[in-house]
Amino acid sequence: EAGVTQSPTHLIKTRGQQATLRCSPISGHTSVYWYQQALGLGLQFLLWYDEGEERNRGNFPPRFSGRQFPNYSSELNVNALELEDSALYLCASPGQGYGYTFGSGTRLTVV
Amino acid sequence: AQSVTQLDSHVSVSEGTPVLLRCNYSSSYSPSLFWYVQHPNKGLQLLLKYTSAATLVKGINGFEAEFKKSETSFHLTKPSAHMSDAAEYFCVVTKAAGNKLTFGGGTRVLVKP
Repeated sequence: EAGVTQSPTHLIKTRGQQATLRCSPISGHTSVYWYQQALGLGLQFLLWYDEGEERNRGNFPPRFSGRQFPNYSSELNVNALELEDSALYLCASPGQGYGYTFGSGTRLTVV
Repeated sequence: AQSVTQLDSHVSVSEGTPVLLRCNYSSSYSPSLFWYVQHPNKGLQLLLKYTSAATLVKGINGFEAEFKKSETSFHLTKPSAHMSDAAEYFCVVTKAAGNKLTFGGGTRVLVKP
């Protein structure tokens, strides 16, 4: 089965701009999780989408938002970018048997 | 609530010697536990998982972990380290399949020749 794909690989934005990150889960899987991996802060849960609905969100401000499309792919939007939003953003798709498959991530740099 | 503590932020071993990465968890239910590895500038790769079956779990690349409920631990071991094992390792807990993952702070492994 194809894995989790994320795009773009790298993204450079200016403070105050908006960033859009994309994720396609494993084919046929309905859930998508977003995580932020910022330097010194570890991996933090951002958002969980399943069947097109937001099921849960982590402790992040509302300028972090997203959506899930009918084909179960997902977008993460970050508005009013701040320097501390610079991080690796990872998308995960829960597989069968409790395994979670991660994409290779999008590295967002805010300058 | 659930949490994970990785007891060592850095571990340094010589090639060919054993590796031990320590993980303690806290959970109000029977957890599922995972170890993931992240090589530099890469995503996360699943090493192994515990889901209430056998307490000794074997994973890829010679790694294994033992679930000890009485000690709330899930330590990761490998008998003989290889240079390619240099990476960051994350212990992860979740309530059930499809639930969010809670990550430990990570252990960075350095392998000396």
